[in-house]
Amino acid sequence: GQNIDQPTEMTATEGAIVQINCTYQTSGFNGLFWYQQHAGEAPTFLSYNVLDGLEEKGRFSSFLSRSKGYSYLLLKELQMKDSASYLCAVTGGYQKVTFGTGTKLQVIP
Amino acid sequence: NAGVTQTPKFQVLKTGQSMTLQCAQDMNHEYMSWYRQDPGMGLRLIHYSVGAGITDQGEVPNGYNVSRSTTEDFPLRLLSAAPSQTSVYFCASRRGSLGNTIYFGEGSWLTVV
Repeated sequence: GQNIDQPTEMTATEGAIVQINCTYQTSGFNGLFWYQQHAGEAPTFLSYNVLDGLEEKGRFSSFLSRSKGYSYLLLKELQMKDSASYLCAVTGGYQKVTFGTGTKLQVIP
Repeated sequence: NAGVTQTPKFQVLKTGQSMTLQCAQDMNHEYMSWYRQDPGMGLRLIHYSVGAGITDQGEVPNGYNVSRSTTEDFPLRLLSAAPSQTSVYFCASRRGSLGNTIYFGEGSWLTVV
């Protein structure tokens, strides 16, 4: 099976940097997704990590360590519009994609 | 650029009624799946398919049926609706094991009374 853990809620200040962690245990691992989801909307793609290391995409970066079963999403120069839930998802055997419960981020002025 | 299209967007059902949530994608993706999302529970996998004619159960399959007769379509059937199935449902597709993006439909808000 697959087990994914993320913090339930986080608060950060506009303009700051925030790191959202995700740990996982899975039988078979192919890759890890990060998605952003605003209230009442569908999730939207942020990143997909297959290999260890950091991938940077503008203000967003994602890190993966397969040996530690650990990933984080780094958001820089936080903006009010970044207030959303951030979902970690793991692709395992048989192409199953399992999502964590998500981290609700509140950005305050 | 339709992407993943799911209907209806909103539906109210009475307990015991049956209905089908439709999902179609026009990207020729092999992998399609259905999730439900409840407060505090995240996205939970109901059923998924890795290609036409192949389906399998996810975490919460009870009370739901699926079929995949074509690559494009992946309908989700509620056999006898129960209040516990009140939820938001998302259909998603991906280009098989090499696909580095999962595309979601806009969601279907279902209430069972």
